[in-house]
Amino acid sequence: NAGVMQNPRHLVRRRGQEARLRCSPMKGHSHVYWYRQLPEEGLKFMVYLQKENIIDESGMPKERFSAEFPKEGPSILRIQQVVRGDSAAYFCASSTRTANTGELFFGEGSRLTVL
Amino acid sequence: GENVEQHPSTLSVQEGDSAVIKCTYSDSASNYFPWYKQELGKRPQLIIDIRSNVGEKKDQRIAVTLNKTAKHFSLHITETQPEDSAVYFCAASEGGSYIPTFGRGTSLIVHP
Repeated sequence: NAGVMQNPRHLVRRRGQEARLRCSPMKGHSHVYWYRQLPEEGLKFMVYLQKENIIDESGMPKERFSAEFPKEGPSILRIQQVVRGDSAAYFCASSTRTANTGELFFGEGSRLTVL
Repeated sequence: GENVEQHPSTLSVQEGDSAVIKCTYSDSASNYFPWYKQELGKRPQLIIDIRSNVGEKKDQRIAVTLNKTAKHFSLHITETQPEDSAVYFCAASEGGSYIPTFGRGTSLIVHP
């Protein structure tokens, strides 16, 4: 089992460009979470998705940010018109959400730098 | 929503000492409390978790305690080793949502 795969690992964008971050969950996992991590801060929840559905996007800014988890393919976090404040590590996690465990399995993260 | 406070932000100990990290939560509906370890540049990984129907759980050198009345829970690491050096995050979630709210993290440094 390859684990949660995120790409790209590092992404550099200029202000105003778009950033697309991809996440392939662990095999058999149908629940995906995106978190943002800034230096000296914890993991801030952004969005929780199941296949083809956004379940909870309460942590995601209403403007410029969107997420999807299509029936086929990886989950994508999209940031339009990036600004310097978007520079952060973005972690994706997946889970099975069985009754016995709430464990999240994290990817290695995608580190976005906005110049 | 849930709010999780974590202390201290940095903890420096000598190898062999014990380390304790404390967290408080605000939502009395939270009933699942995981702890994650994140080594430098790596992914967070679950090291131990506890549910609200249990007061204490132990796994080798690590243990977690939960006080539901006071809404706080703690991570205890005994006989610390240099490889325990990492950032530790506590989290709390309500069983129905399983969306963990994380604390800000504790950077544990174990000096050889």
